[in-house]
Amino acid sequence: EAGVTQFPSHSVIEKGQTVTLRCDPISGHDNLYWYRRVMGKEIKFLLHFVKESKQDESGMPNNRFLAERTGGTYSTLKVQPAELEDSGVYFCASSQDPAGWSEQYFGPGTRLTVT
Amino acid sequence: GNSVTQMEGPVTLSEEAFLTINCTYTATGYPSLFWYVQYPGEGLQLLLKATKADDKGSNKGFEATYRKETTSFHLEKGSVQVSDSAVYFCALRTGNQFYFGTGTSLTVIP
Repeated sequence: EAGVTQFPSHSVIEKGQTVTLRCDPISGHDNLYWYRRVMGKEIKFLLHFVKESKQDESGMPNNRFLAERTGGTYSTLKVQPAELEDSGVYFCASSQDPAGWSEQYFGPGTRLTVT
Repeated sequence: GNSVTQMEGPVTLSEEAFLTINCTYTATGYPSLFWYVQYPGEGLQLLLKATKADDKGSNKGFEATYRKETTSFHLEKGSVQVSDSAVYFCALRTGNQFYFGTGTSLTVIP
């Protein structure tokens, strides 16, 4: 069974540009989560999808970030326009059900560098 | 509020040395506690967990005990191997959210 995959693995963009990160969850997992780790700091929750609906987006830092999950399969996280402080590693995770929070499966992350 | 504090790294140990990575937490209610590990180039993997006070989680020779009186969940291993080199994250879950620590990088040298 394929795990959670993320694309790209690394992205370097200039301030003001747009970047779109993609996450493919494990097949059949209705719950998809985005997290971010800014260099040297803790991993922080961004948002949680149940199928195509946003269950909790309380961690989204501002309106420059837009997450979508059309059709309830893969998800994208767009940053527009990117700022220097957006640099970090963006993780995606999926789980079969929210009650199984302890069984989240994480992707390898996308390292975003904004210059 | 809810937060996790873990010892800063990086930590470098010789093979077969004893490992302790400290983790303390602040939480409302009764959280579940976790250790995740991230090997180079991979995603985070659940290493072990404990869901209530005095529970001991263990896996792959690692263990951690949920200590409510000291609000701690320290990770230990009696004899580390080179393959244990990774970043370790302590985390708590309360309600529907996870809170992670900053991660501790461990390098084990032969």
